Amino acid sequence: EPEVTQTPSHQVTQMGQEVILRCVPISNHLYFYWYRQILGQKVEFLVSFYNNEISEKSEIFDDQFSVERPDGSNFTLKIRSTKLEDSAMYFCASSKGGANVLTFGAGSRLTVL
Amino acid sequence: AQSVTQLDSQVPVFEEAPVELRCNYSSSVSVYLFWYVQYPNQGLQLLLKYLSGSTLVKGINGFEAEFNKSQTSFHLRKPSVHISDTAEYFCAVSNRGGTYKYIFGTGTRLKVLA
Repeated sequence: EPEVTQTPSHQVTQMGQEVILRCVPISNHLYFYWYRQILGQKVEFLVSFYNNEISEKSEIFDDQFSVERPDGSNFTLKIRSTKLEDSAMYFCASSKGGANVLTFGAGSRLTVL
Repeated sequence: AQSVTQLDSQVPVFEEAPVELRCNYSSSVSVYLFWYVQYPNQGLQLLLKYLSGSTLVKGINGFEAEFNKSQTSFHLRKPSVHISDTAEYFCAVSNRGGTYKYIFGTGTRLKVLA
């Protein structure tokens, strides 16, 4: 069964450093998403991406965040200058859209020290 | 705007007993509804979904849920739980259009006791 692949599985970084989280969505999917889950809390929507542009973003997704689909297969989330409160599990998801469900990756745990 | 409410943050239940995890949603438009399970230190796994048609949907691991439009609910049920069902369960709602993003509830931690 096709999977959404995320790397790294765990990254530890110092506050103020840039972090790039990578995702390989399912190949024939058209919609791509990033979600965040702070430890013990709910899964929160960050951003959706369709047709090579951001289609929707949440209040969390401020200027420190950016997304890119650089080569037609990868989908990246960049945090420009990490803060302590960015520590969370970040989930990538993809979908064909419509009534098709989102398939989530296993997540990338980011720890900011 | 849409929202999802999971009133029970934790539900302890004895093994082989039935369980119901409650989910209520709010939306001004038609929605799709989902339940996901998250085992410790793992990602999100789809349990079941309601897209259209029969309001009773069956999912994996013996779970089922019923969509009740008048009560805007989508409660998850299992007639007999196992220790292995111990996990966090998230209800989610999605628009039938737009970006199809999911809005998740706060989750219910199901703890199955021996």
